[in-house]
Amino acid sequence: GAVVSQHPSWVICKSGTSVKIECRSLDFQATTMFWYRQFPKQSLMLMATSNEGSKATYEQGVEKDKFLINHASLTLSTLTVTSAHPEDSSFYICSATSSGGRRAGVTDTQYFGPGTRLTVL
Amino acid sequence: AQSVSQHNHHVILSEAASLELGCNYSYGGTVNLFWYVQYPGQHLQLLLKYFSGDPLVKGIKGFEAEFIKSKFSFNLRKPSVQWSDTAEYFCAVSARGNNRLAFGKGNQVVVIP
Repeated sequence: GAVVSQHPSWVICKSGTSVKIECRSLDFQATTMFWYRQFPKQSLMLMATSNEGSKATYEQGVEKDKFLINHASLTLSTLTVTSAHPEDSSFYICSATSSGGRRAGVTDTQYFGPGTRLTVL
Repeated sequence: AQSVSQHNHHVILSEAASLELGCNYSYGGTVNLFWYVQYPGQHLQLLLKYFSGDPLVKGIKGFEAEFIKSKFSFNLRKPSVQWSDTAEYFCAVSARGNNRLAFGKGNQVVVIP
């Protein structure tokens, strides 16, 4: 199946610093990537939708100035948590879909990365 | 916006028992339906999906799900579980033509050897 990677897998930072998380589609072109947040023992909550070459669309209640998303290429999207605080500690997961360009059959199915555990001290 | 309900968050059963996990969604239009599985320490993996056609969908590892449009349901089943099926199972829904997924809260399934 389609493979999505995330880097780093975990990160610990001090309060007030910024952290960048990368999401890459390894074997297909991802025209759309999604960023989720998962709290312990809870479901995934969609934060934003990222389309290659355009501004991300944020879900209601998600601060776009705090969670900066860049989708500069068809294989890479980044999420930057700016001025992180302890309440931003969470598990951040990305997923990717394709327009079906190079790999037929991946349209409308999201393939998930392994997630990034962020701990803000 | 869609919403997804999964009941019985914690399920404990013995090997060889049958498993059924309920999933109900609320959305008036045409939907795409998914079940994802998250094994301990691993990332979400697609178990099966329904876009159109035969409402009984067969997925990997012996799982199947049935879409019942009149009941807005997409229940997951497996006739005989194994210890390796211990995982968290998430139902997810997207509106047709829109890839934004709404997830249920998940079912934590523990299979006792």
